[in-house]
Amino acid sequence: NAGVTQTPKFRILKIGQSMTLQCTQDMNHNYMYWYRQDPGMGLKLIYYSVGAGITDKGEVPNGYNVSRSTTEDFPLRLELAAPSQTSVYFCASNKGQGTYEQYFGPGTRLTVT
Amino acid sequence: EDQVTQSPEALRLQEGESSSLNCSYTVSGLRGLFWYRQDPGKGPEFLFTLYSAGEEKEKERLKATLTKKESFLHITAPKPEDSATYLCAVHVAGGADGLTFGKGTHLIIQP
Repeated sequence: NAGVTQTPKFRILKIGQSMTLQCTQDMNHNYMYWYRQDPGMGLKLIYYSVGAGITDKGEVPNGYNVSRSTTEDFPLRLELAAPSQTSVYFCASNKGQGTYEQYFGPGTRLTVT
Repeated sequence: EDQVTQSPEALRLQEGESSSLNCSYTVSGLRGLFWYRQDPGKGPEFLFTLYSAGEEKEKERLKATLTKKESFLHITAPKPEDSATYLCAVHVAGGADGLTFGKGTHLIIQP
């Protein structure tokens, strides 16, 4: 199993541009998450999904959108990128069923200038 | 508000010098406490889950313990390859279904 994969690894955006960060997992996990990690800060939850067709906001959802059309994929959309969205983004998944440990992808480093 | 505080922020040890990392938490309805290892430029790697006070988990040179207010990650006779940032996180009942993370402890093991 590849686990959780993310693309791209790196991206530079100009202010006002849009992009989609891709996340795919091959573990048949129902639960998927997006976090951002800023220097010196803990990971912050952006959005999460408990299954295909179901998404919900986390702690820092402003400026982002998500969709979950399949169990495997959970893309994160940035509209009108701002410098405050410069961060490292991690996707994670969890099988649920009474377990809570999450498995993370390698991350996408995004710079908005 | 749920809080997770890790200490120290950074720790430098000699190879073979045992020590402990601390994670204190203030949450309502703890469902689990998690330890992760993160190497530079990589995603967090799952190490342990602890569910209740008194529980202990071990893996190679690492041992995690849990009380009602804090968790410790004990590192015995560390090697340079144990150098990494160690993250603590909690899952709580109610609210968003995600983990609340501490800021991490940056551990350096010198040969």
